[in-house]
Amino acid sequence: DAGVTQSPTHLIKTRGQQVTLRCSPKSGHDTVSWYQQALGQGPQFIFQYYEEEERQRGNFPDRFSGHQFPNYSSELNVNALLLGDSALYLCASSFLQGNLIEQYFGPGTRLTVT
Amino acid sequence: AQSVTQPDIHITVSEGASLELRCNYSYGATPYLFWYVQSPGQGLQLLLKYFSGDTLVQGIKGFEAEFKRSQSSFNLRKPSVHWSDAAEYFCAVNTGNQFYFGTGTSLTVIP
Repeated sequence: DAGVTQSPTHLIKTRGQQVTLRCSPKSGHDTVSWYQQALGQGPQFIFQYYEEEERQRGNFPDRFSGHQFPNYSSELNVNALLLGDSALYLCASSFLQGNLIEQYFGPGTRLTVT
Repeated sequence: AQSVTQPDIHITVSEGASLELRCNYSYGATPYLFWYVQSPGQGLQLLLKYFSGDTLVQGIKGFEAEFKRSQSSFNLRKPSVHWSDAAEYFCAVNTGNQFYFGTGTSLTVIP
């Protein structure tokens, strides 16, 4: 059983460009959450997708957007990249059972903005 | 507002010594609490979780944590540390809608 997978592993972009990161959830999971982890910091919640809709959103600007597909996989899009967007982007999947959400994390995508 | 505090940025212990990593949370209701471990360049691995019931929970790799409501704490412990335990440790609170993570404690294990 494959766990959470993310692609690509590493990515280098230039300021002002756009980027798309991808995530495939653990088998049987229907909810995907995205986190940004800056160097030396804990993960910060970006947003969560369930049933192809954004359910919750953290304190991130509209430059950050996402999508969930019918097979539960998800994309994170970031427009107009800033140097401060350089971080490890983590995807976590879970099975929504009431409010008890146990998350499984992927290995992350390391984004460097130059 | 919900928050998680890990007061120790970095801890160094000798192999075989005991370990305690501190975590304090701020949340108005009964929290769901987690400890995750992150090795360099890796994602987060769940060590243990507390939802309800027994306040002492056992996790993987010999870790345990104790929930103390009166102190709003959920400290992680291990009786004997192994060199492979060197990593970053994150405490997290789940409010039912979102996870809030602490800033992490970096653990160094010396021979």
